[in-house]
Amino acid sequence: NAGVTQTPKFQVLKTGQSMTLQCAQDMNHEYMSWYRQDPGMGLRLIHYSVGAGITDQGEVPNGYNVSRSTTEDFPLRLLSAAPSQTSVYFCASSSAYEQYFGPGTRLTVT
Amino acid sequence: AQSVTQPDIHITVSEGASLELRCNYSYGATPYLFWYVQSPGQGLQLLLKYFSGDTLVQGIKGFEAEFKRSQSSFNLRKPSVHWSDAAEYFCAVGALEYGNKLVFGAGTILRVKS
Repeated sequence: NAGVTQTPKFQVLKTGQSMTLQCAQDMNHEYMSWYRQDPGMGLRLIHYSVGAGITDQGEVPNGYNVSRSTTEDFPLRLLSAAPSQTSVYFCASSSAYEQYFGPGTRLTVT
Repeated sequence: AQSVTQPDIHITVSEGASLELRCNYSYGATPYLFWYVQSPGQGLQLLLKYFSGDTLVQGIKGFEAEFKRSQSSFNLRKPSVHWSDAAEYFCAVGALEYGNKLVFGAGTILRVKS
């Protein structure tokens, strides 16, 4: 099992550009989440999904969009990148209790 | 609102000394609790977790944590720190009632001096 995979590992965007961060899991988990990590703030929940076709907002959803068409995939879309979205992004999938994190995507918006 | 507090932003300990990292939470449901470790530029590694039962839980790398419901705490301990333990440590809280969403503390950076 690959677990949770994220692509790309690194990305540099210009302000106003859009892009999609990819996340996939092969554990057949219903729950998937996106977090962003910023220095001194820990990880904060952006969006989450409790199953295919069902998504909801987390703590910091503005500027991000998600959809869940399959159990395996949960992409995160940046609609119009801003410097405030410079961060490290982690995707996670979870069983009943435990969350499994991907390796992260480091995004810089200039 | 749910929250997790890690009061210490930085902690410095000597190699071989004992370590305790503090974590307090405020949560409106029966929590389950985690400690993660992150080395610079790396992802999150799960150290240990508490769901129910024995309140003293053992994890990897010689770490343990104790859940104290009366104090809303889940402190991480290690009896003898190694230089390789230098990293950032995160406490996190979740609950099935909240759909498996985790709330993280801000993290504690551990420095180990030789």
